[in-house]
Amino acid sequence: EADIYQTPRYLVIGTGKKITLECSQTMGHDKMYWYQQDPGMELHLIHYSYGVNSTEKGDLSSESTVSRIRTEHFPLTLESARPSHTSQYLCASSESSGDNEQFFGPGTRLTVL
Amino acid sequence: GENVEQHPSTLSVQEGDSAVIKCTYSDSASNYFPWYKQELGKGPQLIIDIRSNVGEKKDQRIAVTLNKTAKHFSLHITETQPEDSAVYFCAASKGSARQLTFGSGTQLTVLP
Repeated sequence: EADIYQTPRYLVIGTGKKITLECSQTMGHDKMYWYQQDPGMELHLIHYSYGVNSTEKGDLSSESTVSRIRTEHFPLTLESARPSHTSQYLCASSESSGDNEQFFGPGTRLTVL
Repeated sequence: GENVEQHPSTLSVQEGDSAVIKCTYSDSASNYFPWYKQELGKGPQLIIDIRSNVGEKKDQRIAVTLNKTAKHFSLHITETQPEDSAVYFCAASKGSARQLTFGSGTQLTVLP
């Protein structure tokens, strides 16, 4: 079954730790996205990719980095986590052509102590 | 860039009543307008979308209307049920080469 997966679902970590949030999709989509969603609900685009070896920063400035070595995999890394990074992180993917229907993963809720 | 405003931020209705959520967009070149539903603990899921060459679209109890002249579009849910309770997001884009710009979300609560 085609789907989009995120791990871990929940992560509680101490300040200064390096973390990687995983995102994988089995739909063969070229485009992938990372959004940050605060408790106020609004979705902020922080990174996107149009294909392998393509990564761009989104509208919201973020200290995180991403990589796209394989089509199906789009991990997000924080080199040194801080309490200000506490948020929900949503990964999504979409086809290259046609409309922009984005398929979202279940999200990772990150808490930095 | 595109700016999408969504109202209201919270909406409570009695079960069986209708709910309406409205969005306005700023870029007249936007031509694709999806609506997403996000249930607690899950990612947003597309429930209906409309393209700029269509004024209205229906899918069972859900409908979306688009007014290109006024640059606004609305989500209509009829005969609401408790399982309709969720956060709803509107969005706009200028086609597959552009990103989606999301509204700020509406928390819909359907009271039994």
